[in-house]
Amino acid sequence: EDQVTQSPEALRLQEGESSSLNCSYTVSGLRGLFWYRQDPGKGPEFLFTLYSAGEEKEKERLKATLTKKESFLHITAPKPEDSATYLCAVGRGSTLGRLYFGRGTQLTVWP
Amino acid sequence: DAGVIQSPRHEVTEMGQEVTLRCKPISGHNSLFWYRQTMMRGLELLIYFNNNVPIDDSGMPEDRFSAKMPNASFSTLKIQPSEPRDSAVYFCASSLDENQPQHFGDGTRLSIL
Repeated sequence: EDQVTQSPEALRLQEGESSSLNCSYTVSGLRGLFWYRQDPGKGPEFLFTLYSAGEEKEKERLKATLTKKESFLHITAPKPEDSATYLCAVGRGSTLGRLYFGRGTQLTVWP
Repeated sequence: DAGVIQSPRHEVTEMGQEVTLRCKPISGHNSLFWYRQTMMRGLELLIYFNNNVPIDDSGMPEDRFSAKMPNASFSTLKIQPSEPRDSAVYFCASSLDENQPQHFGDGTRLSIL
């Protein structure tokens, strides 16, 4: 069965303390992997798409990387406003219409 | 630019009642998605449309759920009759096409008593 697992479930960081979130997947025929950010009471907000192993994308303090089995979201010198739940999702097969989401990592950055 | 608009934001109703959730996708987007998010199961795709045509409804839990997209700017998700286990946050998302990133609305929090 296809599976997307995110770890850790929750992460607390002090402001400026860099770390990484992990998304491992067992889907066959990966077509794309997405990272989203979700704030309480809001819908997921798109961050990145990665399509092939070795690919990297960056946005401000965030950097996403992809290997054949997992993806990492690196957060450099986080700020309290980076606090949110980070979701990864994978798509396989002929389209990216059906995405399989992980349960997310709840990140808290304290000053 | 206006994002995906969902209504209502909150709905509380009694078991057995009909519930209708509404979604207006981003203008120009050709794909529309309905998701359900619960603590137990996370975020799950229910159904998605391309150019107003349902493409994948394998996530629709049972016949009590139905979704329509009568035109490019409006979609509904209907539950009839509703049950307490349907309580969840329902999200609508849209994208330029099914291979582009999906953009989510802020959801409808549904409580069935």
